[in-house]
Amino acid sequence: SQQGEEDPQALSIQEGENATMNCSYKTSINNLQWYRQNSGRGLVHLILIRSNEREKHSGRLRVTLDTSKKSSSLLITASRAADTASYFCATVAYKTGANNLFFGTGTRLTVIP
Amino acid sequence: SQTIHQWPATLVQPVGSPLSLECTVEGTSNPNLYWYRQAAGRGLQLLFYSIGIDQISSEVPQNLSASRPQDRQFILSSKKLLLSDSGFYLCAWSGTAEKLFFGSGTQLSVL
Repeated sequence: SQQGEEDPQALSIQEGENATMNCSYKTSINNLQWYRQNSGRGLVHLILIRSNEREKHSGRLRVTLDTSKKSSSLLITASRAADTASYFCATVAYKTGANNLFFGTGTRLTVIP
Repeated sequence: SQTIHQWPATLVQPVGSPLSLECTVEGTSNPNLYWYRQAAGRGLQLLFYSIGIDQISSEVPQNLSASRPQDRQFILSSKKLLLSDSGFYLCAWSGTAEKLFFGSGTQLSVL
């Protein structure tokens, strides 16, 4: 299976602290994406990193990718209570032209005000 | 701008009853369309994807089927629901960009 695995499964931090979530995957990828899901809602795309990139930034988000270890990390700096959500990594498998994304099990982040 | 509509938001159905969940996309043409299922507290499982009208592929064998009668319409169906079909169903689309845009989801409870 190409499905990723996030670590930790749950993370609780104080507002203002940094949150780091990790993702491991099994097969070669074209790109890896991170999504956020508020409870009971759809997922929202956060950031995409390609296999030839090692690090990418977007606002308070920093993503790293190590293809040799088949792992990625998502860092949220200066966390806010509004960052409370589940975060998923997803890897792309190309099949007949569709960009099929396979998702991990997610990290549930709680930011305490 | 593009939008995706998914309904209903919640659904409670008895075992053995049929199912029809609908998803439509606006503001884009020839999107790739997807159905995912999420069990409580779990990750997403890809159920079906479609790259065009009547072109549907299934990722996992199951009690469900999908149809795409129009370019921007994707329907998830079942003739007889099982208890194990309960979950949070998400429709999504993608275009030339490689990211997915998700609907708001349908919480299905089969009792």
